[in-house]
Amino acid sequence: DTAVSQTPKYLVTQMGNDKSIKCEQNLGHDTMYWYKQDSKKFLKIMFSYNNKELIINETVPNRFSPKSPDKAHLNLHINSLELGDSAVYFCASSGPQETQYFGPGTRLLVL
Amino acid sequence: QKEVEQNSGPLSVPEGAIASLNCTYSDRGSQSFFWYRQYSGKSPELIMSIYSNGDKEDGRFTAQLNKASQYVSLLIRDSQPSDSATYLCALPGGRRALTFGSGTRLQVQP
Repeated sequence: DTAVSQTPKYLVTQMGNDKSIKCEQNLGHDTMYWYKQDSKKFLKIMFSYNNKELIINETVPNRFSPKSPDKAHLNLHINSLELGDSAVYFCASSGPQETQYFGPGTRLLVL
Repeated sequence: QKEVEQNSGPLSVPEGAIASLNCTYSDRGSQSFFWYRQYSGKSPELIMSIYSNGDKEDGRFTAQLNKASQYVSLLIRDSQPSDSATYLCALPGGRRALTFGSGTRLQVQP
């Protein structure tokens, strides 16, 4: 069974479009995260939700809007996509321990 | 702003050798440290966590922590080509997120 899953795995789209990435975890964790990994492989936190409540909102353009319908799901919607949004987006989750488990990633390419 | 520094590499070692990966951090108050391995095109996976000064061993992997020097390292004994990956050092950055280093790329030569 996949612990943290993301869809889609690959996303190729034109500048200006709006797209969503979905994440689900079946680990029973309370906290979920979105990280962005750029072309230099630097992994950086974007958002974090704990029990459906936003607890981290790093300096990210407001074109990015996370939504957590329940504890097991965290989605990321991106409006007006720009070339610089091209990256790999990882969802992760954690329980009472600090260990985080990552999803397979969504590779976004904006043309 | 918590910072985590790693040498980007690549670090090249022959098969069977010991690979030594290093990480320094800026926040003296950090209590937990994690090593993640990331194969090309894959997601990070946790291989070691360490909370106390000293060494922690798990199979071929040993994590070493020196809080006074703000230094954490990962040793991989008997390195195998399958160990070739990027190794990411991480520590809690606040509100449960992790702050990652830029990673060290390890190449194990057969």
